[in-house]
Amino acid sequence: QSALTQPPSASGSPGQSVTISCTGTSSDVGGYNYVSWYQQHPGKAPKLMIYEVSKRPSGVPDRFSGSKSGNTASLTVSGLQAEDEADYYCSSYAGSNNLIFGTGTKVTVL
Amino acid sequence: EVQLVESGGVVVQPGGSLRLSCAASGFTFDDYAMHWVRQAPGKGLEWVSLISWDGGSTYYADSVKGRFTISRDNSKNSLYLQMNSLRAEDTALYYCAPEPESGSYHFDYWGQGTLVTVSS
Repeated sequence: QSALTQPPSASGSPGQSVTISCTGTSSDVGGYNYVSWYQQHPGKAPKLMIYEVSKRPSGVPDRFSGSKSGNTASLTVSGLQAEDEADYYCSSYAGSNNLIFGTGTKVTVL
Repeated sequence: EVQLVESGGVVVQPGGSLRLSCAASGFTFDDYAMHWVRQAPGKGLEWVSLISWDGGSTYYADSVKGRFTISRDNSKNSLYLQMNSLRAEDTALYYCAPEPESGSYHFDYWGQGTLVTVSS
């Protein structure tokens, strides 16, 4: 299965909002509410930011929110801060005990 | 505190074999399904394999099916990945991760990974 499609890059100034899309198909993103988002800083392990489309783990700021419409999921980071600059990956359950990740988006805080 | 320590990554020739290990602590290991996820240098994340809490069910990405075998030893709180017929495209940092709820397919804890390099 092909990776979910994300824009290669996104950017915003401090305090602004940025939204990252994650496009799949009806067999993955559109078919299940098991979309997750991970933040990864250089040289570090991924960190879970959103799971099951819109749920936030304990400790993740409420500036991070997730949603889904059809075959596209989205992660919105509001009130951008310097520490939000990182790579972001979506993932989705794809049926038959398979998981697929997105292509990744580099977020730059201008 | 949950800790996941991957090991076993080395430089190996194409066609070679390797066994990765993941030592888990800080949680009840045999309550959780476990996954391997990899990341090629400078590239994105790729799911590799899943094993159920009791080792009775295993699943693989198409890219590794028939070459890799996931296993676990609950008495040792350890997860393994036997990698055979290695290819250059298997070069990656390999992470292990527990699945917090069965069928949830998300990971709230990750190790630091172990690097596998397939090169002649």
